[in-house]
Amino acid sequence: SQKIEQNSEALNIQEGKTATLTCNYTNYSPAYLQWYRQDPGRGPVFLLLIRENEKEKRKERLKVTFDTTLKQSLFHITASQPADSATYLCAGGSQGNLIFGKGTKLSVKP
Amino acid sequence: DVKVTQSSRYLVKRTGEKVFLECVQDMDHENMFWYRQDPGLGLRLIYFSYDVKMKEKGDIPEGYSVSREKKERFSLILESASTNQTSMYLCASSWGAGDYGYTFGSGTRLTVV
Repeated sequence: SQKIEQNSEALNIQEGKTATLTCNYTNYSPAYLQWYRQDPGRGPVFLLLIRENEKEKRKERLKVTFDTTLKQSLFHITASQPADSATYLCAGGSQGNLIFGKGTKLSVKP
Repeated sequence: DVKVTQSSRYLVKRTGEKVFLECVQDMDHENMFWYRQDPGLGLRLIYFSYDVKMKEKGDIPEGYSVSREKKERFSLILESASTNQTSMYLCASSWGAGDYGYTFGSGTRLTVV
């Protein structure tokens, strides 16, 4: 079945470092990948979208890549801050609906 | 600020009750979705709608139905609530047919006792 896998359930890093989260897709080829942030008890918030013909996209301290050979997207937060602590969801879509990964919980320690 | 509004943040219902979860969006989005989110299982799609009066089953539609009589409103109905439907329910909406981000509501934490 089509899957989006975020292999790390949790990632702990020090403030100021770059956080890198990984998203892999299997059994399908999404035309685009999306990244969301979710805080406890709240709905996900859309952050970035990258299409399969785009290698990299940036927004402020965020950077996302799309590697169709590795079937993978990397999500980077540079100069991380404690306020970046949240769960980050990857989702892949094609003509149909989004398939979501289970998320990676990022904790940024001061 | 664009919004998806879910009528209740917390809800407690008894087994066998009929439960209505309401969702309203103010962005004139065509697409609306209902998900449930459980620890370790992630977001699972229950039903979605691409237009008024349209509905399509998602991955886990059993025990649920939906209604979309107006473009801005998408209701999720639990016909006879059961304890295994205790969950966080999230409504979302989006533009058009493809690569637009979803706007989610804040969620309804439903407990069935």
